Amino acid sequence: EAGVAQSPRYKIIEKRQSVAFWCNPISGHATLYWYQQILGQGPKLLIQFQNNGVVDDSQLPKDRFSAERLKGVDSTLKIQPAKLEDSAVYLCASSFPGGPGGELFFGEGSRLTVL
Amino acid sequence: AQSVTQLDSQVPVFEEAPVELRCNYSSSVSVYLFWYVQYPNQGLQLLLKYLSGSTLVESINGFEAEFNKSQTSFHLRKPSVHISDTAEYFCVVGSSNTGKLIFGQGTTLQVKP
Repeated sequence: EAGVAQSPRYKIIEKRQSVAFWCNPISGHATLYWYQQILGQGPKLLIQFQNNGVVDDSQLPKDRFSAERLKGVDSTLKIQPAKLEDSAVYLCASSFPGGPGGELFFGEGSRLTVL
Repeated sequence: AQSVTQLDSQVPVFEEAPVELRCNYSSSVSVYLFWYVQYPNQGLQLLLKYLSGSTLVESINGFEAEFNKSQTSFHLRKPSVHISDTAEYFCVVGSSNTGKLIFGQGTTLQVKP
C-alpha cells in the first residue's frame, strides 16, 4: 500500500516569495492534516480536512497561508508571502475516519528554507 | 486545554542499556496518549498508544509505556536498546472529545555502540 506522498521534499525561497506544497494521502483516508514542524519543536497542526471540508484551521495564519483539498483527495498548502519564520518542515498526514484515537500516517515532509 | 512536556531533549545511551523517555501531560478532559517515532530520513510513525483498558501498552519492537493518571505521565521504556532505536520520539496527547492532538517537543534517543 502506498504511503502519504509529499512534494517537493526541499524548497529554498527568499522572503516575500510564494511557495506551494502538495500532498496525496493514503487511498481511502478521508481525514487529512497539515502540520508545521519548526526545528527543535514538535509538529503543530495547521489545518485538518474531513473529505474536502475544513474541520480545524484555528492555528493557520490565514493572512499568508491557505490550503485546499479539492475533490476530497489530494491537497495543497500555499504560503504567500513567505516570512523568515516560516522556515520549517511541513508534514502532511492522513487517517481513516474512526473517531479520536486513530493512527495518523505521515509523509516524509517538505522542508522549507526562507532566506 | 491540553499540553504535553517531554522532560529530556536528548538521551544518549549505550547499546543494550535500558532507557526511559519521560513525558508528562495536562488536560481538563479524558485523553488518549501516543508515542510516535521518526527514524532518520523517514516520516513519523506510530510506536504505541493508550486509549483505554490496561495502563501498560507495548510496541512490537520491545518498547512499553505506562499510563499513570495520578502522575499525569506516559513514560516510554525499553529494557535493552539497539543501535536501530536511534530516532526522535514524540509524546502526543489527544482529546477524547475532539481528537485534537498535541505533540511534545521531541526527545532524541542516541544509541551508541
